[in-house]
Amino acid sequence: DVKVTQSSRYLVKRTGEKVFLECVQDMDHENMFWYRQDPGLGLRLIYFSYDVKMKEKGDIPEGYSVSREKKERFSLILESASTNQTSMYLCAGGTGYEQYFGPGTRLTVT
Amino acid sequence: ILNVEQSPQSLHVQEGDSTNFTCSFPSSNFYALHWYRWETAKSPEALFVMTLNGDEKKKGRISATLNTKEGYSYLYIKGSQPEDSATYLCALTGTYKYIFGTGTRLKVLA
Repeated sequence: DVKVTQSSRYLVKRTGEKVFLECVQDMDHENMFWYRQDPGLGLRLIYFSYDVKMKEKGDIPEGYSVSREKKERFSLILESASTNQTSMYLCAGGTGYEQYFGPGTRLTVT
Repeated sequence: ILNVEQSPQSLHVQEGDSTNFTCSFPSSNFYALHWYRWETAKSPEALFVMTLNGDEKKKGRISATLNTKEGYSYLYIKGSQPEDSATYLCALTGTYKYIFGTGTRLKVLA
């Protein structure tokens, strides 16, 4: 059974804090993705990575960065959290043909 | 920018009713179309992936069709059950990226 895990299901952070969201996959897939989901807007791609140490901006990268030091781990970093980054964050791993999602992290920035 | 649209945004049906949703996309730049089911508090789960015009896929009471020439896909649920309640997402894929629609939220009333 393929598995994508995320470090936290729920997270509450203060404005200005540096936030790390961790994602680990056990499928040996090259590609990993970070999305956020907001009501009425669907899943929007923040960043993706198609290889270790490689990263590409998605549709909404502003305010975020990522790190992929190992194939199985893809981290999303909020350098200075803001209230408009309150959202559900989903990580996925996969190929061009299929994606497997983690359970999501609901982040609240107060 | 590719735009994937889903309709309706939400609907309520009675247990036993059959229902269908639509996913519309630009017919050019097509590689594959995916349907996912996303239940509350769970990860999005892949239902179908389709690549060829005229493709039809079926899993139990759920089926999907694809028309790449006119740019749409239909998802059908026959004899809806309360456990079918979820958000149904479609996504268009290119080389790496997935473009998601905003989803159709289905509520099946017992």
